[in-house]
Amino acid sequence: EAQVTQNPRYLITVTGKKLTVTCSQNMNHEYMSWYRQDPGLGLRQIYYSMNVEVTDKGDVPEGYKVSRKEKRNFPLILESPSPNQTSLYFCASSFSRTPPYEQYFGPGTRLTVT
Amino acid sequence: ILNVEQSPQSLHVQEGDSTNFTCSFPSSNFYALHWYRWETAKSPEALFVMTLNGDEKKKGRISATLNTKEGYSYLYIKGSQPEDSATYLCASPNRDDKIIFGKGTRLHILP
Repeated sequence: EAQVTQNPRYLITVTGKKLTVTCSQNMNHEYMSWYRQDPGLGLRQIYYSMNVEVTDKGDVPEGYKVSRKEKRNFPLILESPSPNQTSLYFCASSFSRTPPYEQYFGPGTRLTVT
Repeated sequence: ILNVEQSPQSLHVQEGDSTNFTCSFPSSNFYALHWYRWETAKSPEALFVMTLNGDEKKKGRISATLNTKEGYSYLYIKGSQPEDSATYLCASPNRDDKIIFGKGTRLHILP
């Protein structure tokens, strides 16, 4: 089944404790992206990647890192999480950044930083 | 318009009525316009990808139009049903490779 998977789905952690949220897609998609969703702010792009070893900042990259060593995986790293990173995170992928390819979203990761 | 904006933020519609809502986006540097449907406790799912001025797309009772010159798209739902209750998002990928989402229109269908 074609899908985007994220792990973990739920995570409660403390300020400063490094964490990684994994994202994997099995559709051979080139473009992958991370978003955070906060009430009243909609989906905001954190980082995106157009292909292996190519990553770039979205609108809200501060406090996050990503890597794209393999085409299928695009982990999101929070080196020193802070409470303002409490949010719902989505990973998404698409065949290419160019139209007409829509994005496929993972199930989401709800992160709470205390 | 520098951002992607959607209106209204929230909408209550009687079951069986038709409705529509708007997405406004920067008309300069236009590349594509996406519509997504996002049900509570699920992930956003793509409805349409539109690229050409004057594009009209349809999926069942849902359709969308695109005006790239003035920077807006309309999403129409004909004969609303309870299963149409969701948040509808539009997004504009631009030539800088970023994707900007609107804040969504939350649609409630009243029985």
